[in-house]
Amino acid sequence: ETGVTQTPRHLVMGMTNKKSLKCEQHLGHNAMYWYKQSAKKPLELMFVYSLEERVENNSVPSRFSPECPNSSHLFLHLHTLQPEDSALYLCASSQDFPVLREKLFFGSGTQLSVL
Amino acid sequence: KNEVEQSPQNLTAQEGEFITINCSYSVGISALHWLQQHPGGGIVSLFMLSSGKKKHGRLIATINIQEKHSSLHITASHPRDSAVYICAVRSQGGRGGGADGLTFGKGTHLIIQP
Repeated sequence: ETGVTQTPRHLVMGMTNKKSLKCEQHLGHNAMYWYKQSAKKPLELMFVYSLEERVENNSVPSRFSPECPNSSHLFLHLHTLQPEDSALYLCASSQDFPVLREKLFFGSGTQLSVL
Repeated sequence: KNEVEQSPQNLTAQEGEFITINCSYSVGISALHWLQQHPGGGIVSLFMLSSGKKKHGRLIATINIQEKHSSLHITASHPRDSAVYICAVRSQGGRGGGADGLTFGKGTHLIIQP
C-alpha cells in the first residue's frame, strides 16, 4: 500500500465514450502526476500538478483532460480516444515539485483498453 | 538529452541465484531511482541514490557517478522478486526528461523460477 489509490483498475471503452480516471493520495503531498505506460516503452509523463496548479502539459492530445480540484485528488477525463491510447495509466505523488531528492509514490494504475 | 539504458531487457533465473540488473545513463545526474513494478501494475520505489551504495534486505543498489552506471543486485532470489525493475534518473539542474525532470529506462523484466 503506497498511499496512492487509483480507480478503476481496468477500463474498456469505445472511441465515442467519455470516462474519467480517479486518483487519490493520503500522504499530504503537494504534487501529483499522470504517467502513461505503453508496452515496451518507458514511462511517459503526461501532466504535473503542484499545489493544484498545472505545471506543464507535455504536448498531450486534448482528448486527455486533467483536473485537480484539491491537493489530494486528481482526475483524468477521457473522450473520443483512439485505440493507440490503450495503455496503463499511472498516478503518482511527491511531497513537493520539482522532485529533487525525494521519492515518487505510485498508484496501482488503470489498465485502459480502447476498442 | 539524457539516455537511460537498462540491461538485460529480460532475465529468467532459478530461485536462489544472485541477480544483477544494470543501468547506464549519458549525462550528469543529481539522483537515480530504482523502481519495482509487479504484474498488477503498481510501482514501488526501492531506492533513491546519488552516490555509493544502499542496502535494504536482499536488495543492494550501487552507483558509480564517474562511469555513469548503476546496478541493482538481488541476493538469494525468490519467485516473489519476479517483476519489472525500472531505472530512472534526474539530470543535474533538473534539465532533460519530462517536466518532472526524470528520464526512465524501459525496464528489466525479471522472472525467478522455483
